[in-house]
Amino acid sequence: QVQLVESGGGVVQPGRSLRLSCAASGFSFSLYSMHWVRQAPGKGLEWVAFIWYDGSRKYYADSVRGRFTLSRDNSENALYLQMNSLRADDTAVYYCARDWNSGVFDYWGQGTLVTVSS
Amino acid sequence: EIVLTQSPGTLSLSPGERATLSCRASQSASSSSLAWFQQKPGQAPRLLIYGTSSRATGVPDRFSGSGSGADFTLTISRLEPEDFAVYYCQQYSSSFWTFGQGTKVEVK
Repeated sequence: QVQLVESGGGVVQPGRSLRLSCAASGFSFSLYSMHWVRQAPGKGLEWVAFIWYDGSRKYYADSVRGRFTLSRDNSENALYLQMNSLRADDTAVYYCARDWNSGVFDYWGQGTLVTVSS
Repeated sequence: EIVLTQSPGTLSLSPGERATLSCRASQSASSSSLAWFQQKPGQAPRLLIYGTSSRATGVPDRFSGSGSGADFTLTISRLEPEDFAVYYCQQYSSSFWTFGQGTKVEVK
């Protein structure tokens, strides 16, 4: 069965960095593009970033472009989100999600909480 | 960037009643790129509908999606106790993905 497991969240001070990971299993990871989506406490869903199946193309939301970098290691079935210059409004649960059929988020991880606070 | 506006913000209904949720796009959206998700407290979102009207695997047939252009609808024909949750519409366009702000379906 498809499983996505995020890790790496925690409490970090404003301006610092954090790296999130998403471990994939139960499917051919190298054949699927992937997303990160976040949800601030008590708020709605916000798409963050997308990476093609082979890592050749990446897209970012305006709110994180230039600060966040998405990468993947298909040999390790892993997805990463490097988050730099973190701000209080980056506080959220971060989910990785599989992309199916060009834009459908068909499987989601359970999320990892990032709290940016001094 | 297409902005999705969902209405109403909260829908108060009783089990067995019909729920109709609306999602309006700021400009015409491709029917193939409109999806609906259900989210319960403390859980990840779950895909319900994709391509406007196709049910995801395992989704009961009381859930249906419809619409075109800028207006889309999620209908739950008869609410079951497990259907009380928050629902989000989502669309994809030009390498940009957006979600509506959500509609909460609560027990009346």
